[in-house]
Amino acid sequence: VQLVESGGGLVQPGGSLRLSCAASGFTFSTYAMSWVRQAPGKGLEWISGITGSGGSTYYAGSVKGRFTISRDNSENTLYLQMNSLRADDTAVYYCAKDWRSTTWYYFDYWGQGTLVTVSS
Amino acid sequence: EIVLTQSPGTLSLSPGERATLSCRASQSVSSSYLAWYQQKPAQAPRLLIFGASLRATGIPDRFSGSGSGTEFTLTISRVEPEDFAVYYCQQYGSSPLTFGGGTKVEIK
Repeated sequence: VQLVESGGGLVQPGGSLRLSCAASGFTFSTYAMSWVRQAPGKGLEWISGITGSGGSTYYAGSVKGRFTISRDNSENTLYLQMNSLRADDTAVYYCAKDWRSTTWYYFDYWGQGTLVTVSS
Repeated sequence: EIVLTQSPGTLSLSPGERATLSCRASQSVSSSYLAWYQQKPAQAPRLLIFGASLRATGIPDRFSGSGSGTEFTLTISRVEPEDFAVYYCQQYGSSPLTFGGGTKVEIK
């Protein structure tokens, strides 16, 4: 199993970024996926999840209405579109594979993370 | 939302000592749906334990989990040098999934 995130970087407040997570080594469409972030020196926060089919999604209150999770099962790729970015969105964003398909449980594999810095 | 409180915040131990990490939930975690992760500096978290007491693939048997309801424990029977890290608990019994604040196991 391999999860490789990309798309992070420095962005101004109010700007947008799209993160990608390329998955390999497992049948991507049969597992729920999530984005978990970690602000500098802080703990882990589950911010968004999507079921294997893409039919159900979850957003934490801190990102709801600004972030959109999606997946392309034909390309084995998970996405996170981030709009209206704020300074408190600064964090390492991890892509994480769930143990199951139809809801969210625990994460058995994680990507290496991609750093998003929101600053002027 | 279930709030997880981990204690202590930092645990200072010498290699070979026993580590006991606590995770307390603000309400009962259904079906003992609790996981533990290890995170080393500049690395992604790694799954250690799921279902409160089941070791993930490849995890040494010096790591064990126990507990139910609102009280859970991660025990490292004899801490090895590679075990110095931050440990997080996570509940998946109800949405949203939530993590504890972490316990840092440091070298004494």
